[in-house]
Amino acid sequence: QQQVKQSPQSLIVQKGGISIINCAYENTAFDYFPWYQQFPGKGPALLIAIRPDVSEKKEGRFTISFNKSAKQFSLHIMDSQPGDSATYFCAASKSGKLIFGQGTTLQVKP
Amino acid sequence: NAGVTQTPKFQVLKTGQSMTLQCAQDMNHEYMSWYRQDPGMGLRLIHYSVGAGITDQGEVPNGYNVSRSTTEDFPLRLLSAAPSQTSVYFCASSYQGTGDTEAFFGQGTRLTVV
Repeated sequence: QQQVKQSPQSLIVQKGGISIINCAYENTAFDYFPWYQQFPGKGPALLIAIRPDVSEKKEGRFTISFNKSAKQFSLHIMDSQPGDSATYFCAASKSGKLIFGQGTTLQVKP
Repeated sequence: NAGVTQTPKFQVLKTGQSMTLQCAQDMNHEYMSWYRQDPGMGLRLIHYSVGAGITDQGEVPNGYNVSRSTTEDFPLRLLSAAPSQTSVYFCASSYQGTGDTEAFFGQGTRLTVV
Protein backbone atom coordinates (compact mmCIF):
# COMPACT_ATOMS: atom_id res chain seq x y z
CA GLN A 1 0.00 0.00 0.00
CA GLN A 2 1.54 3.25 -1.17
CA GLN A 3 1.03 5.83 1.57
CA VAL A 4 2.33 8.70 -0.58
CA LYS A 5 1.36 8.83 -4.25
CA GLN A 6 3.29 11.07 -6.63
CA SER A 7 2.58 12.16 -10.20
CA PRO A 8 3.60 12.46 -12.92
CA GLN A 9 6.32 9.83 -13.21
CA SER A 10 8.17 11.96 -15.75
CA LEU A 11 7.93 15.55 -16.91
CA ILE A 12 9.47 17.50 -19.77
CA VAL A 13 9.40 21.30 -19.58
CA GLN A 14 10.90 24.02 -21.73
CA LYS A 15 13.42 26.38 -20.19
CA GLY A 16 11.59 29.21 -18.46
CA GLY A 17 8.43 27.18 -18.00
CA ILE A 18 6.67 26.06 -14.83
CA SER A 19 7.17 22.51 -13.54
CA ILE A 20 4.43 21.10 -11.33
CA ILE A 21 4.64 17.85 -9.39
CA ASN A 22 1.77 16.57 -7.28
CA CYS A 23 1.56 14.32 -4.25
CA ALA A 24 -1.25 12.85 -2.18
CA TYR A 25 -1.04 11.17 1.19
CA GLU A 26 -3.36 9.01 3.26
CA ASN A 27 -2.22 9.18 6.87
CA THR A 28 -3.44 12.34 8.61
CA ALA A 29 -0.83 11.77 11.35
CA PHE A 30 1.95 12.96 9.01
CA ASP A 31 3.30 16.27 10.28
CA TYR A 32 6.11 17.22 7.94
CA PHE A 33 6.19 17.24 4.16
CA PRO A 34 9.60 17.65 2.50
CA TRP A 35 10.67 17.55 -1.11
CA TYR A 36 14.00 16.00 -2.04
CA GLN A 37 16.02 16.52 -5.21
CA GLN A 38 18.32 13.82 -6.58
CA PHE A 39 20.91 14.09 -9.33
CA PRO A 40 22.22 10.96 -11.10
CA GLY A 41 24.70 9.03 -8.99
CA LYS A 42 23.98 11.09 -5.89
CA GLY A 43 21.88 10.71 -2.80
CA PRO A 44 18.71 12.77 -2.38
CA ALA A 45 19.08 16.22 -0.83
CA LEU A 46 16.45 18.34 0.89
CA LEU A 47 15.02 21.01 -1.40
CA ILE A 48 12.14 22.56 0.53
CA ALA A 49 9.68 21.44 3.21
CA ILE A 50 6.39 22.47 4.78
CA ARG A 51 4.37 21.76 7.88
CA PRO A 52 0.59 21.15 7.62
CA ASP A 53 -0.35 24.37 9.43
CA VAL A 54 0.95 26.39 6.46
CA SER A 55 -0.75 26.47 3.04
CA GLU A 56 2.21 27.69 1.01
CA LYS A 57 5.96 28.06 1.33
CA LYS A 58 8.25 29.72 -1.18
CA GLU A 59 12.02 29.58 -1.44
CA GLY A 60 13.39 31.29 -4.51
CA ARG A 61 11.92 29.62 -7.60
CA PHE A 62 10.52 26.70 -5.59
CA THR A 63 7.05 26.76 -3.96
CA ILE A 64 5.14 24.14 -2.03
CA SER A 65 1.35 24.40 -2.02
CA PHE A 66 -0.38 22.39 0.70
CA ASN A 67 -4.07 21.44 0.90
CA LYS A 68 -4.70 19.75 4.23
CA SER A 69 -8.37 18.98 3.64
CA ALA A 70 -7.62 17.26 0.34
CA LYS A 71 -4.47 15.61 1.74
CA GLN A 72 -2.51 16.87 -1.24
CA PHE A 73 0.60 18.96 -1.77
CA SER A 74 2.54 20.05 -4.79
CA LEU A 75 5.89 21.44 -5.85
CA HIS A 76 6.02 24.31 -8.33
CA ILE A 77 9.30 25.22 -10.01
CA MET A 78 9.06 28.64 -11.63
CA ASP A 79 11.34 29.69 -14.50
CA SER A 80 12.60 26.11 -14.84
CA GLN A 81 16.26 25.80 -15.83
CA PRO A 82 18.26 22.94 -17.40
CA GLY A 83 20.13 22.66 -14.08
CA ASP A 84 16.83 21.70 -12.45
CA SER A 85 16.81 18.46 -14.44
CA ALA A 86 16.78 15.81 -11.73
CA THR A 87 14.52 13.36 -9.95
CA TYR A 88 12.19 14.88 -7.36
CA PHE A 89 10.67 13.00 -4.46
CA CYS A 90 7.91 14.15 -2.19
CA ALA A 91 7.78 12.65 1.27
CA ALA A 92 5.68 12.64 4.41
CA SER A 93 7.00 12.19 7.89
CA LYS A 94 5.79 11.25 11.35
CA SER A 95 8.30 11.14 14.19
CA GLY A 96 11.13 11.42 11.72
CA LYS A 97 10.19 8.35 9.69
CA LEU A 98 10.12 9.48 6.07
CA ILE A 99 7.78 7.81 3.58
CA PHE A 100 8.56 8.75 -0.02
CA GLY A 101 6.52 9.04 -3.17
CA GLN A 102 7.51 7.20 -6.33
CA GLY A 103 9.58 10.05 -7.76
CA THR A 104 9.31 12.34 -10.81
CA THR A 105 12.05 12.63 -13.38
CA LEU A 106 12.15 16.21 -14.64
CA GLN A 107 13.87 17.19 -17.86
CA VAL A 108 14.15 20.88 -18.68
CA LYS A 109 14.93 21.45 -22.34
CA PRO A 110 17.11 24.44 -23.30
CA ASN B 1 33.05 17.41 6.54
CA ALA B 2 32.22 13.78 5.60
CA GLY B 3 28.49 13.67 6.49
CA VAL B 4 27.08 10.21 5.70
CA THR B 5 29.54 7.72 4.24
CA GLN B 6 28.46 4.48 2.62
CA THR B 7 30.72 1.62 1.56
CA PRO B 8 31.06 -0.04 -0.84
CA LYS B 9 29.78 2.07 -3.74
CA PHE B 10 29.25 -0.95 -5.97
CA GLN B 11 28.87 -4.65 -5.20
CA VAL B 12 28.01 -7.79 -7.15
CA LEU B 13 26.82 -10.81 -5.18
CA LYS B 14 25.86 -14.30 -6.10
CA THR B 15 22.48 -15.61 -4.98
CA GLY B 16 22.73 -16.94 -1.45
CA GLN B 17 25.78 -14.93 -0.45
CA SER B 18 25.68 -12.64 2.55
CA MET B 19 27.20 -9.21 2.95
CA THR B 20 27.11 -6.07 5.05
CA LEU B 21 26.58 -2.57 3.70
CA GLN B 22 28.35 -0.06 5.88
CA CYS B 23 27.02 3.36 6.87
CA ALA B 24 28.75 5.90 9.09
CA GLN B 25 27.87 9.48 10.00
CA ASP B 26 29.94 12.09 11.78
CA MET B 27 27.17 14.57 12.65
CA ASN B 28 26.21 12.98 15.99
CA HIS B 29 22.74 12.26 14.63
CA GLU B 30 20.49 10.03 16.70
CA TYR B 31 18.21 8.94 13.86
CA MET B 32 19.50 6.71 11.06
CA SER B 33 17.70 4.76 8.38
CA TRP B 34 18.17 2.55 5.33
CA TYR B 35 16.25 2.87 2.08
CA ARG B 36 16.25 1.00 -1.17
CA GLN B 37 15.56 2.77 -4.45
CA ASP B 38 14.01 0.93 -7.37
CA PRO B 39 12.71 2.40 -10.65
CA GLY B 40 9.13 3.57 -10.32
CA MET B 41 9.03 2.66 -6.62
CA GLY B 42 10.72 5.66 -5.07
CA LEU B 43 12.66 5.19 -1.86
CA ARG B 44 11.31 2.51 0.45
CA LEU B 45 12.25 2.35 4.11
CA ILE B 46 13.93 -0.90 5.14
CA HIS B 47 14.94 -0.37 8.78
CA TYR B 48 15.54 2.60 11.02
CA SER B 49 17.08 3.43 14.38
CA VAL B 50 16.24 6.21 16.83
CA GLY B 51 19.46 5.75 18.78
CA ALA B 52 22.17 3.30 19.79
CA GLY B 53 20.69 -0.06 20.71
CA ILE B 54 17.25 0.72 19.23
CA THR B 55 16.11 -0.44 15.81
CA ASP B 56 12.76 -0.99 14.12
CA GLN B 57 11.34 -2.25 10.85
CA GLY B 58 10.28 -0.07 7.98
CA GLU B 59 8.15 -0.84 4.91
CA VAL B 60 10.29 -3.62 3.38
CA PRO B 61 12.38 -5.30 6.12
CA ASN B 62 12.34 -8.92 4.94
CA GLY B 63 15.77 -10.32 4.08
CA TYR B 64 17.65 -7.57 5.93
CA ASN B 65 19.05 -7.21 9.43
CA VAL B 66 20.40 -4.15 11.22
CA SER B 67 22.06 -3.31 14.50
CA ARG B 68 23.11 -0.04 16.10
CA SER B 69 25.91 -0.46 18.61
CA THR B 70 27.21 3.12 18.29
CA THR B 71 25.69 6.48 17.38
CA GLU B 72 27.96 6.72 14.33
CA ASP B 73 27.42 3.37 12.59
CA PHE B 74 24.35 1.62 11.21
CA PRO B 75 25.26 -1.43 9.08
CA LEU B 76 22.73 -3.26 6.92
CA ARG B 77 23.15 -7.03 6.56
CA LEU B 78 21.83 -9.13 3.73
CA LEU B 79 21.50 -12.62 5.13
CA SER B 80 21.09 -14.62 1.90
CA ALA B 81 21.09 -12.40 -1.18
CA ALA B 82 18.33 -12.82 -3.76
CA PRO B 83 17.98 -11.25 -7.23
CA SER B 84 14.99 -9.26 -5.88
CA GLN B 85 17.45 -7.40 -3.64
CA THR B 86 19.20 -5.89 -6.66
CA SER B 87 18.77 -2.19 -5.97
CA VAL B 88 20.46 1.03 -4.94
CA TYR B 89 20.67 1.34 -1.17
CA PHE B 90 20.80 4.65 0.66
CA CYS B 91 21.61 5.34 4.26
CA ALA B 92 20.33 8.54 5.87
CA SER B 93 20.72 10.29 9.18
CA SER B 94 18.97 13.17 10.91
CA TYR B 95 19.39 15.06 14.16
CA GLN B 96 16.43 13.52 15.87
CA GLY B 97 13.38 11.47 15.02
CA THR B 98 10.84 14.13 15.85
CA GLY B 99 9.74 17.27 14.16
CA ASP B 100 10.87 18.77 10.91
CA THR B 101 14.50 17.73 10.75
CA GLU B 102 16.45 17.37 7.53
CA ALA B 103 17.63 13.89 6.54
CA PHE B 104 21.13 13.69 5.09
CA PHE B 105 21.76 10.88 2.62
CA GLY B 106 24.88 9.01 1.64
CA GLN B 107 25.96 8.53 -1.98
CA GLY B 108 24.39 5.10 -2.19
CA THR B 109 25.51 1.51 -2.75
CA ARG B 110 24.56 -0.09 -6.06
CA LEU B 111 24.03 -3.80 -5.42
CA THR B 112 23.55 -6.43 -8.12
CA VAL B 113 22.60 -9.99 -7.17
CA VAL B 114 23.15 -12.54 -9.92
